[in-house]
Amino acid sequence: GAVVSQHPSWVICKSGTSVKIECRSLDFQATTMFWYRQFPKQSLMLMATSNEGSKATYEQGVEKDKFLINHASLTLSTLTVTSAHPEDSSFYICSARDPASGTDTQYFGPGTRLTVL
Amino acid sequence: KQEVTQIPAALSVPEGENLVLNCSFTDSAIYNLQWFRQDPGKGLTSLLLIQSSQREQTSGRLNASLDKSSGRSTLYIAASQPGDSATYLCAVSTYNNNDMRFGAGTRLTVKP
Repeated sequence: GAVVSQHPSWVICKSGTSVKIECRSLDFQATTMFWYRQFPKQSLMLMATSNEGSKATYEQGVEKDKFLINHASLTLSTLTVTSAHPEDSSFYICSARDPASGTDTQYFGPGTRLTVL
Repeated sequence: KQEVTQIPAALSVPEGENLVLNCSFTDSAIYNLQWFRQDPGKGLTSLLLIQSSQREQTSGRLNASLDKSSGRSTLYIAASQPGDSATYLCAVSTYNNNDMRFGAGTRLTVKP
């Protein structure tokens, strides 16, 4: 089955630093990837849709200059949280679509826990 | 804007009991509805997907139903086991699978 990985699985950083999270499709090429954020005991909120070779589409209220998304290849999308602050601490989950599957099913990664001190 | 609500927020049952988790959504014009399982600190595992034209889907001990007109879906778990303990999320897509909206989940604990 389609497998999506994320790296790192958890990260702790100081306030003001930038953190990069990678999302990889391991056994398929993903033209579209999605980034979600989940606060404790809350639902997943879509942050942005990432299309290979083009700019990401951000959801309303998500700062594109703060959450930089790069989908430079068909198997890798990165989310960089710039100048991170404690309120950015959250669980970040990516997902990817496999266009070869003939469906628009999203396959989810295991998530990255970000803690900003 | 589609809003998804899940009730109850938490549920604790003894092993072997049958249980029902509820999901409601505000816009009945949906594309599909999915139920996911999320273990603590982990990603999502898709359990069942119901297309807009379907009324229910079954997989093993799980059965999900969909009533678009009333904006509701239920996930029925038969003969619950401790291994079923997890958070169950309901997600509704309105136009396509690019716009999934998630509920806050129901945290299920099955006690041995």
